[in-house]
Amino acid sequence: DSGVTQTPKHLITATGQRVTLRCSPRSGDLSVYWYQQSLDQGLQFLIQYYNGEERAKGNILERFSAQQFPDLHSELNLSSLELGDSALYFCASSKGTTGSSYNEQFFGPGTRLTVL
Amino acid sequence: AQSVSQHNHHVILSEAASLELGCNYSYGGTVNLFWYVQYPGQHLQLLLKYFSGDPLVKGIKGFEAEFIKSKFSFNLRKPSVQWSDTAEYFCAVNARGADGLTFGKGTHLIIQP
Repeated sequence: DSGVTQTPKHLITATGQRVTLRCSPRSGDLSVYWYQQSLDQGLQFLIQYYNGEERAKGNILERFSAQQFPDLHSELNLSSLELGDSALYFCASSKGTTGSSYNEQFFGPGTRLTVL
Repeated sequence: AQSVSQHNHHVILSEAASLELGCNYSYGGTVNLFWYVQYPGQHLQLLLKYFSGDPLVKGIKGFEAEFIKSKFSFNLRKPSVQWSDTAEYFCAVNARGADGLTFGKGTHLIIQP
């Protein structure tokens, strides 16, 4: 158990719908990262938040957004869902952010999203 | 932008065989390098990491990796694999100053008893 929790474990929805994935970081970690794992694209970095502020963006679609709340949990919102959005969405957390030293990212169990 | 290439998508070995999984990255600057493992039904776990210093790094469960800067490589090795090493292995790179990890496509390792 990494200490990072994600809910729900599974989510099945229809095209055009909107869903919210939730992540609670390890105690004391300030950074939250979101990744998407699909068969064709592999594991891709989507976005990072640090202490409530957006820190870095990766290959995140405009239909997707995220936020980090004062209690440091984060939510990833996916809207206008398409079949191709079906994937495993991972959240990771770390103590800080890169600077002079790297903070190891600890991964949650993931949320499996199926869009029908 | 950086990219990571893992040469072997599927590897099947017998117990006690030696393992080497290839990883090459593409990035001109300074990088941090990682190997993660994902056991069936479990979350990603860090096996080992390289930031600086000795290019031969040792990780958990008897794994090690060697950073060869001239070859942009960070190959994972284990002298004698066990059935419990069956898992998906991911190489990842993080460019210094950036925060998200760039992952390779992964190698599915199956160890036959």
